[in-house]
Amino acid sequence: AQRVTQPEKLLSVFKGAPVELKCNYSYSGSPELFWYVQYSRQRLQLLLRHISRESIKGFTADLNKGETSFHLKKPFAQEEDSAMYYCALKGGGFQKLVFGTGTRLLVSP
Amino acid sequence: EAGVAQSPRYKIIEKRQSVAFWCNPISGHATLYWYQQILGQGPKLLIQFQNNGVVDDSQLPKDRFSAERLKGVDSTLKIQPAKLEDSAVYLCASSPEGYEQYFGPGTRLTVT
Repeated sequence: AQRVTQPEKLLSVFKGAPVELKCNYSYSGSPELFWYVQYSRQRLQLLLRHISRESIKGFTADLNKGETSFHLKKPFAQEEDSAMYYCALKGGGFQKLVFGTGTRLLVSP
Repeated sequence: EAGVAQSPRYKIIEKRQSVAFWCNPISGHATLYWYQQILGQGPKLLIQFQNNGVVDDSQLPKDRFSAERLKGVDSTLKIQPAKLEDSAVYLCASSPEGYEQYFGPGTRLTVT
């Protein structure tokens, strides 16, 4: 069965500090991992996917199959990064998207 | 391009009443999804349509929930009768086949 775990409900940092939002997954096959973000009063939207190996808004995430992790990182947090972040895994026969419970990132000035 | 549209945005009903939600996906998107997001949890897929056919409804409580996608475009999700535990945000998303999902604003349902 597919499972995504985000251990932190809330992560609070100061502006300019490094950020790491943790995501661990459980899946027997070859997964496709994503990070979605929801800013206040906005829709849930895709932030990045592991197959793209790109940096979006300064965020990066590396898939570590050995540790079954896909942590989201940013070296210097900005106040506009404050949002809910969801890690998601796509897999299975119907390529279903399974979400974690989310981490609220709060960046203070 | 216009995004995924959902209505209503908010709905309050009493338990045992029925309710329906509507979704209009992005034009040309073959795949449509309905998710349930309970407070403090991530979205959970209820049903996935490919054009007007159901691909996955394994997590849809079929004794009270139903969904249809007529003509492969708009979709409605119905709950009848509603229970207190159905209080949640119902999200609709659409995607071109196999690609990124685009989410609507959601409908917040409160069952009292």
